[in-house]
Amino acid sequence: DIQMTQSPSSLSASVGDRVTITCQASQDISNYLNWYQQKPGKAPKLLIYDASNLETGVPSRFSGSGSGTDFTFTISSLQPEDIATYYCQQYDNLPPFFGQGTKLEIK
Amino acid sequence: QVQLQESGPGLVKPSQTLSLTCTVSGGSISSGDYYWSWIRQPPGKGLEWIGYIYYSGSTYYNPSLKSRVTISVDTSKNQFSLKLSSVTAADTAVYYCARGGHDYGVLDYWGQGTLVTVSS
Repeated sequence: DIQMTQSPSSLSASVGDRVTITCQASQDISNYLNWYQQKPGKAPKLLIYDASNLETGVPSRFSGSGSGTDFTFTISSLQPEDIATYYCQQYDNLPPFFGQGTKLEIK
Repeated sequence: QVQLQESGPGLVKPSQTLSLTCTVSGGSISSGDYYWSWIRQPPGKGLEWIGYIYYSGSTYYNPSLKSRVTISVDTSKNQFSLKLSSVTAADTAVYYCARGGHDYGVLDYWGQGTLVTVSS
């Protein structure tokens, strides 16, 4: 199985800050990496697919980059509505695995 | 707009079988463009992919659950279903159904989720 290691596990930032979350795969997954946002009590929402592609309708302050084993998710200017837990997920190999999540809070 | 809705009992006794159904609207399971997945999330914990099914009936199950999982599809009702046998308290979770594109891996539409508690 390909393991996904996300960091940090939690993060506190101020409105307007640039926020970065990283995800490391235990082996090369090319660009088969997605990012999801989950707000409390809600289903996850797809934000970024294939490492860097913005899902339709998702604000442009969200972005993703990376390939191989190291990936980065960025919010360019944190907004109050971005408070959520963020997950990376690989699908290069079965079974698809999610990272353990990064809980983002407002400072 | 595609919508998915999970349904099924919210309480299951230990050793029994958990059964859930996902009803898809706004799109046809039979279109063949997508895979249909089940994912679960224990309270306060992360996400675990249970498995997926294609409209033809071909399936993939997570090896961690494979011996206990069955996913089936009913294209006439535009539904797919999950059965998880011999449940224990460790199977207590919110269960989500989702649509997967890009050869299953990109989950672009999700149901709202349903909490299933395993308890006597």
